[in-house]
Amino acid sequence: EVQLVESGGGWVQPGRSLRLSCAASGFTFDDYAMHWVRQAPGKGLEWVSGINWNSGTIAYVDSVKGRFTISRDNAKNSLYLQMNSLRAEDMALYYCAKGYSSSLGYGYMDAWGKGTTVTVSS
Amino acid sequence: QPVLTQPPSSSASPGESARLTCTLPSDINVGRYNIYWYQQKPGSPPRYLLSYYSDSDKGQGSGVPSRFSGSKDASANSGILLISGLQSEDEADYYCLIWSTNAWVFGGGTKLTVL
Repeated sequence: EVQLVESGGGWVQPGRSLRLSCAASGFTFDDYAMHWVRQAPGKGLEWVSGINWNSGTIAYVDSVKGRFTISRDNAKNSLYLQMNSLRAEDMALYYCAKGYSSSLGYGYMDAWGKGTTVTVSS
Repeated sequence: QPVLTQPPSSSASPGESARLTCTLPSDINVGRYNIYWYQQKPGSPPRYLLSYYSDSDKGQGSGVPSRFSGSKDASANSGILLISGLQSEDEADYYCLIWSTNAWVFGGGTKLTVL
C-alpha cells in the first residue's frame, strides 16, 4: 500500500524559512515523479512543484519560483520542499503526491498524503 | 500558466446527472490536452477519478464507478465530468487538472451539492 507522510509544517513568521519532508513507502520511490500540492484554508488545490524520478526535471508554479526548492533523496525514499522568504499567501495545507509515471509531465498524481499545515503569520 | 475555469457550485438531485465543466483559455485548445478529474471531500486529500483525452484514450481511477465519465466540448473549449445516477456520497468538490507550459494547473474547483 502506498503511504506518503508529510512533516515539517508549523507556524513561521513572514520572511522566514521552513523545510517540508515527505516519507514514502509501499512503492519503488525512484520509479516515480513526485509533487507538492497546496490548499489554502477554504480554497482550491494549487500545484506547487514537481520533480521527476532522477531530479533531472523540476518545475514550479510561478508564484514560488526563486523562493521554493524541491528535492528528493531516492536512497531515503524522501521528498523535500525548502521554502524560503515565506509570505502570508503561502499559508496552506501542503500535500505530497506521487506521480503516475517517472516523468514530471506525463500522468497525474495518483496517491496523496494527508498533508502538513504551514501557517505564516507575524 | 493558464487559468482553468470551473463554476464555483453546482447542484442536482439524487438519481439525476451532474455535468461539471472545466473551461480552458481561448489560446489553448482542449483537444490537445488530457483532462484529469479529482474528487475531494472535507478533511480528505483529493481522489483521482479519471482522465479523458478522447473516446479512445481515457482512463478510470481504481474503484471509481462507471457512472463517472469524461468528455470534451470542443465548441466550448471545455473538459466535462459527467456523473450519472447521483448519490448523496457524490457531494464533494471536484477539480480538473492539466499539464501545460511545464506546469500542472488545477481548475478552481466546483462544489457539487446533491439536494
